[in-house]
Amino acid sequence: GAGVSQTPSNKVTEKGKYVELRCDPISGHTALYWYRQSLGQGPEFLIYFQGTGAADDSGLPNDRFFAVRPEGSVSTLKIQRTERGDSAVYLCASSLSGLFNEQFFGPGTRLTVL
Amino acid sequence: SQQGEEDPQALSIQEGENATMNCSYKTSINNLQWYRQNSGRGLVHLILIRSNEREKHSGRLRVTLDTSKKSSSLLITASRAADTASYFCATRNDTGANSKLTFGKGITLSVRP
Repeated sequence: GAGVSQTPSNKVTEKGKYVELRCDPISGHTALYWYRQSLGQGPEFLIYFQGTGAADDSGLPNDRFFAVRPEGSVSTLKIQRTERGDSAVYLCASSLSGLFNEQFFGPGTRLTVL
Repeated sequence: SQQGEEDPQALSIQEGENATMNCSYKTSINNLQWYRQNSGRGLVHLILIRSNEREKHSGRLRVTLDTSKKSSSLLITASRAADTASYFCATRNDTGANSKLTFGKGITLSVRP
């Protein structure tokens, strides 16, 4: 089947605006992860869902960031009052449940805050 | 925060040569994984090694793990131009069923044809 998809692929917004980034995981994957990658750095963990619930949101930088996965499939990462420092590539990954299962990554959404 | 540190930061080799990339980490781990990333976008899983394993092979890839030194190496043999990419090590630190990955900063590998 299809891999992890993310929309939009690119998003340009102005400082202070609200944005939503969408992730469609691989069908049947119960675990879903969001990471953020700045230029020249490795991905940094933001949040992960097991089913519909956020099992670990320790990586969210502040309360402007929020994510949901209401039906245990598609997830939306929401950023309020965007700041220039939020500019990065936002990566979504999904996996089957289990410690040794591979995480499959989507192509990412490049967010630019002007 | 990032746990892994890869070494070197950048590597340039001739096609056909072997490429060796190293990763060090700070805390105890459950497993360590290597990923490849092309053009700064999606990551592709290459290989996973468990904390009780010392060496693993997959095609042209060989990964080693030394938990006493908290380090791992990835060897790509007979490199090809298509291996040009960024490579990241990532660790899983606890035994939670779906715990997060903690990535290093990555190594940029260039393979000259």
